[in-house]
Amino acid sequence: EAQVTQNPRYLITVTGKKLTVTCSQNMNHEYMSWYRQDPGLGLRQIYYSMNVEVTDKGDVPEGYKVSRKEKRNFPLILESPSPNQTSLYFCASSQGDSPLHFGNGTRLTVT
Amino acid sequence: QKEVEQNSGPLSVPEGAIASLNCTYSDRGSQSFFWYRQYSGKSPELIMSIYSNGDKEDGRFTAQLNKASQYVSLLIRDSQPSDSATYLCAVNIRGNYQLIWGAGTKLIIKP
Repeated sequence: EAQVTQNPRYLITVTGKKLTVTCSQNMNHEYMSWYRQDPGLGLRQIYYSMNVEVTDKGDVPEGYKVSRKEKRNFPLILESPSPNQTSLYFCASSQGDSPLHFGNGTRLTVT
Repeated sequence: QKEVEQNSGPLSVPEGAIASLNCTYSDRGSQSFFWYRQYSGKSPELIMSIYSNGDKEDGRFTAQLNKASQYVSLLIRDSQPSDSATYLCAVNIRGNYQLIWGAGTKLIIKP
């Protein structure tokens, strides 16, 4: 089954404790992206990647890191999480002009 | 001016009626247009994609694209309570995988 898999689905952590949210797709897509979604603010892009070893900042990259060492994986790293990074996070992938496929989301709470 | 605009709603429609959702975009060079449905706390799921002027029908859903007027709309016929959700419009403006998202329209179908 074609899918984008994010883990974990729920994560509660404390300020400053490094964390990684994993994202993997099995569709051989070149493009992958991370979004965060907050009430009233819609989907905001954090980082995206056009291909292996190619990443770029989106609209809200501060406080986040990503890497794309292999085509299927695109982890999101929070080196020192802060409460304002409490949000619902989505990973997505696509190929060419095709629609984005989304993962199931990760709800992160930073206390 | 926002690049992709949607009325935030909520839009309230009686069950069985036609729901009409609209989206305008700013870049005349836009090529790809997508409608996603998102239930609260869930990931966006693709409803329709449209790439050329005119109508595209899929079951109870019809997407309409008018590039001259720079709008894309989604019609939902025979609306059901299960159609109650937020509908997101996304446009490929920059022609490089990147999608620009509207803020979404909340649709409520009243039984």
